[in-house]
Amino acid sequence: GDSVTQMEGPVTLSEEAFLTINCTYTATGYPSLFWYVQYPGEGLQLLLKATKADDKGSNKGFEATYRKETTSFHLEKGSVQVSDSAVYFCAHAGANNLFFGTGTRLTVIP
Amino acid sequence: GAVVSQHPSWVICKSGTSVKIECRSLDFQATTMFWYRQFPKQSLMLMATSNEGSKATYEQGVEKDKFLINHASLTLSTLTVTSAHPEDSSFYICSVTGGALEFFGPGTRLTVL
Repeated sequence: GDSVTQMEGPVTLSEEAFLTINCTYTATGYPSLFWYVQYPGEGLQLLLKATKADDKGSNKGFEATYRKETTSFHLEKGSVQVSDSAVYFCAHAGANNLFFGTGTRLTVIP
Repeated sequence: GAVVSQHPSWVICKSGTSVKIECRSLDFQATTMFWYRQFPKQSLMLMATSNEGSKATYEQGVEKDKFLINHASLTLSTLTVTSAHPEDSSFYICSVTGGALEFFGPGTRLTVL
């Protein structure tokens, strides 16, 4: 069945380090793909999205490319900041359902 | 992690009727629950933050009189879509925040005819 597999955390990085959070999915058809971010005590916020193969979503320095051939949507950022500390969720949305990964906690230390 | 259930999992109703969706935290006492809606192939949209024992906090653009939220206990929050119309047809998802993590319910698909 449909699912999302996300890199387990927690991830701890120093400020200005490079970030990659892996996400792969299984789906019927061609879902839209999303990365959400959740700051402590807050609801989910959409970080970026891609709706078709080879699309690149980007926002706030984060990027992810929809790779149909590897069914992946890895999140990357070239230089993380302390303010990026949060939980990141990968998700895919088909016509009838929404599937989330388990979330990856990122902590950035000064 | 916390187990979150929603009831019903899907519902079809006539235009003008009201529909209540329940969100239960089965093994965790949740002072805060979130309600989202999602259209096919689109992103989740946060509708409101449900706080146990107090009024919900609604996001901008969400009609509080149309989407009534009641969080009467630490394990139950309800969302009532009042006088539903076809444009309210959507996938409604609740979540429970437990410490630093968030746990999602399976969602409720609402179809308004």
